[in-house]
Amino acid sequence: NAGVMQNPRHLVRRRGQEARLRCSPMKGHSHVYWYRQLPEEGLKFMVYLQKENIIDESGMPKERFSAEFPKEGPSILRIQQVVRGDSAAYFCASSAGLAGYNEQFFGPGTRLTVL
Amino acid sequence: AQKVTQAQTEISVVEKEDVTLDCVYETRDTTYYLFWYKQPPSGELVFLIRRNSFDEQNEISGRYSWNFQKSTSSFNFTITASQVVDSAVYFCALSEGGNSGGYQKVTFGTGTKLQVIP
Repeated sequence: NAGVMQNPRHLVRRRGQEARLRCSPMKGHSHVYWYRQLPEEGLKFMVYLQKENIIDESGMPKERFSAEFPKEGPSILRIQQVVRGDSAAYFCASSAGLAGYNEQFFGPGTRLTVL
Repeated sequence: AQKVTQAQTEISVVEKEDVTLDCVYETRDTTYYLFWYKQPPSGELVFLIRRNSFDEQNEISGRYSWNFQKSTSSFNFTITASQVVDSAVYFCALSEGGNSGGYQKVTFGTGTKLQVIP
């Protein structure tokens, strides 16, 4: 049973470009969460999605960031017009049910570097 | 609002010493879950333990043990006879269970960087 997959593992973008981060949850998991880890900091919740629905995006910046989890395919975190401050590790996690009742399994993360 | 505090930013110990990582949490819920994760230098997050608020029994797993004290809102993690491979950043996390059964996000502490010196 494969774990949570994220790709790419490393992504380099120039300021103003778009970044697309992909997350495939564990088999049978329909709950996906995105977290951001800035250098030397802990993980900060960004968004929680179930299939085709955004449940909680309270941690997502209002501009330039969006997320989706389509019926088919991976969840996508999209950052438009990236800036240097977006450089961070972005972790995706999945669970079989609600976060509190089910542990979240984390992917290996995507490290985004904005030049 | 839920909050997790890991006051120790960095700890260095010599191999074979015991070390305790502190975690203090705040929550208004009576049902909640506590977690510890390990992040080695390679960067991935490794799940270590989950505890629910109704189970205050301490747990031991090999060289790892956890002390959950509701009276002081603490969930401390002890590594016995530390090894170099234990060097990592350790995160404590909290999820409120949601009395209505609804979703509650996980809040992470800022992490404690542990360095085990050979």
